[in-house]
Amino acid sequence: DGGITQSPKYLFRKEGQNVTLSCEQNLNHDAMYWYRQDPGQGLRLIYYSQIVNDFQKGDIAEGYSVSREKKESFPLTVTSAQKNPTAFYLCASSIDHGGPTYSGANVLTFGAGSRLTVL
Amino acid sequence: AQKITQTQPGMFVQEKEAVTLDCTYDTSDQSYGLFWYKQPSSGEMIFLIYQGSYDEQNATEGRYSLNFQKARKSANLVISASQLGDSAMYFCAMRDIYNQGGKLIFGQGTELSVKP
Repeated sequence: DGGITQSPKYLFRKEGQNVTLSCEQNLNHDAMYWYRQDPGQGLRLIYYSQIVNDFQKGDIAEGYSVSREKKESFPLTVTSAQKNPTAFYLCASSIDHGGPTYSGANVLTFGAGSRLTVL
Repeated sequence: AQKITQTQPGMFVQEKEAVTLDCTYDTSDQSYGLFWYKQPSSGEMIFLIYQGSYDEQNATEGRYSLNFQKARKSANLVISASQLGDSAMYFCAMRDIYNQGGKLIFGQGTELSVKP
């Protein structure tokens, strides 16, 4: 079945360490996204990528880095520069052909999420 | 700048009754899409329904319908015949669909509790 796989589901990090969250999709989607969710809050965009080898900063990119070397993969690294990294991280993808008449292209499909806790 | 506002942090509804979750938005884009997602306690975001800004009819998907009032910039979700499994967080979201890669922005969410 097609979908998005995030790993690990739970991750613990010591202060000062970098950690990488994996996101893999087999939906053949062009665009991929990383969101952060804090308790009781909505999702905030960290980074997004519309095409391989290209990505853009979202609203809260500081302290994070990404790469998009393959269409299927969009890993997120939480660096030691991120002051408050404890959160729930969600990866998503979309067909992203765009256009107001093609509703299916605009829907984001999400993974199950990764919960990061800093000790 | 785009903004989504959900003014109901929590809602209660009796099983089998209908419930409306409010969503208002602000955008200067001419072409945009409005979405509702459900997030159960497991954390995964489940897509429920989509409404394009040029769609003349309100979207419906099974027990879900979207009450789209463009002039008032509102996109309320109506769930008919509530079930216990509907208890979850519900998020309204919006993106520019004219430009490829338009960011999807979310409201703060509404926690719905269905009572037996």
